[in-house]
Amino acid sequence: GAGVSQSPSNKVTEKGKDVELRCDPISGHTALYWYRQSLGQGLEFLIYFQGNSAPDKSGLPSDRFSAERTGGSVSTLTIQRTQQEDSAVYLCASSLEGRASGELFFGEGSRLTVL
Amino acid sequence: AQTVTQSQPEMSVQEAETVTLSCTYDTSESDYYLFWYKQPPSRQMILVIRQEAYKQQNATENRFSVNFQKAAKSFSLKISDSQLGDAAMYFCAYLSGTYKYIFGTGTRLKVLA
Repeated sequence: GAGVSQSPSNKVTEKGKDVELRCDPISGHTALYWYRQSLGQGLEFLIYFQGNSAPDKSGLPSDRFSAERTGGSVSTLTIQRTQQEDSAVYLCASSLEGRASGELFFGEGSRLTVL
Repeated sequence: AQTVTQSQPEMSVQEAETVTLSCTYDTSESDYYLFWYKQPPSRQMILVIRQEAYKQQNATENRFSVNFQKAAKSFSLKISDSQLGDAAMYFCAYLSGTYKYIFGTGTRLKVLA
């Protein structure tokens, strides 16, 4: 597709279950970001990929969160043993390179609700 | 550490009027980029306007313009002739020579018919 695609759009899960969120960036974009947006809050940085490697994982809130990227393209964010505080919109963004080329292209996000 | 502050959680503007959204930032860098992103109810954020710190001239994109005050570390967004479609969350963002974008907490803009 032409834009950043995220799935699922909405996910409702029970506390303690694992969830996987998927991001398909724009073809050719080497940089990929995951952000978390909680109600009324700004964008919280989670992780940054350059190609398949993640030089900065500093934003992952706990060891229950992990992410990978394969083939320099699709990325998966996994949350294990979900907690209610994990409820948020998870946004993925990509850019041509992770430097001052500027524009981030965002997906529509995955809204996660943990009951 | 760099920070971005948007002190207006919510703003309202009458259709066809002009509104200014405020953003301040803190950095010790001299070369960086500043952005305004718009997030409509559909959730997909899009770039509104970008400013390079080394350029003194304020960026403009049609009805959108910025007032970039480097010494004051201020980067406000002016929307002229506001339209109903401008209603959205607006985020100010900062990027230095690294990859890490720093976002403000956003300003919700309501446009009144």
